[in-house]
Amino acid sequence: EVHLVESGGGLVKPGGSLRLSCAASGFMFSDYSMNWVRQAPGKGLEWVSSISSSSSYIYYADSMKGRFTISRDNAKKSLFLQMNSLRAEDTAVYYCARDPTPYGGGYFDYWGQGTLVTVSS
Amino acid sequence: DIQVTQSPSSLSASVGDRVTITCRASRSISTFLNWYQQKPGKAPKFLIYAASSLQSGVPSRFSGSGSGTDFTLTISGLQPEDFATYYCQQSYSTPPTFGQGTQVEIK
Repeated sequence: EVHLVESGGGLVKPGGSLRLSCAASGFMFSDYSMNWVRQAPGKGLEWVSSISSSSSYIYYADSMKGRFTISRDNAKKSLFLQMNSLRAEDTAVYYCARDPTPYGGGYFDYWGQGTLVTVSS
Repeated sequence: DIQVTQSPSSLSASVGDRVTITCRASRSISTFLNWYQQKPGKAPKFLIYAASSLQSGVPSRFSGSGSGTDFTLTISGLQPEDFATYYCQQSYSTPPTFGQGTQVEIK
């Protein structure tokens, strides 16, 4: 069974940093692209970033470019999101999601339960 | 970026009803359109990919259709567990973008 578990969320001050992790199990992690998708409280879904299976292709939403860095460790079956220069508008539940397409930024067939990031002074 | 617009934003329906949600893309996306269901406090669940292909394990009362710019999600015979918010999402080009969601409520 595919299982994705995010961690690392919490309360951080504006301008601060946070590193999210996503532990994968139940499938061949190294064969799949992965994504981060977020959802602000009471709002819709917003794609954040994607990374292909071998990390050759990496994409970001415009509002995250230069502030967020996606990475993965296939040996540890883990996905990461380093978030710097955080703003109040980054407050959201962050989901990691598996992507069957080869380059990432495709569609999302399995999702983790999410981790809440709150940016507030 | 390709904009994706859903309608309606919410609807009320009864158990057993046939429900249709539409999604319109700002330009042609062939059949690169996907659908998700989300219940309060839960992660989204993947329902349909490539406009009309049902994900494994999804009940057959869910169906999708369309191509180009106009798409529909139909639930034939609404069940109590189907009351949720539904999102469409285009995967034609990066960034992938979602519709704003359609909340299906109990009448």
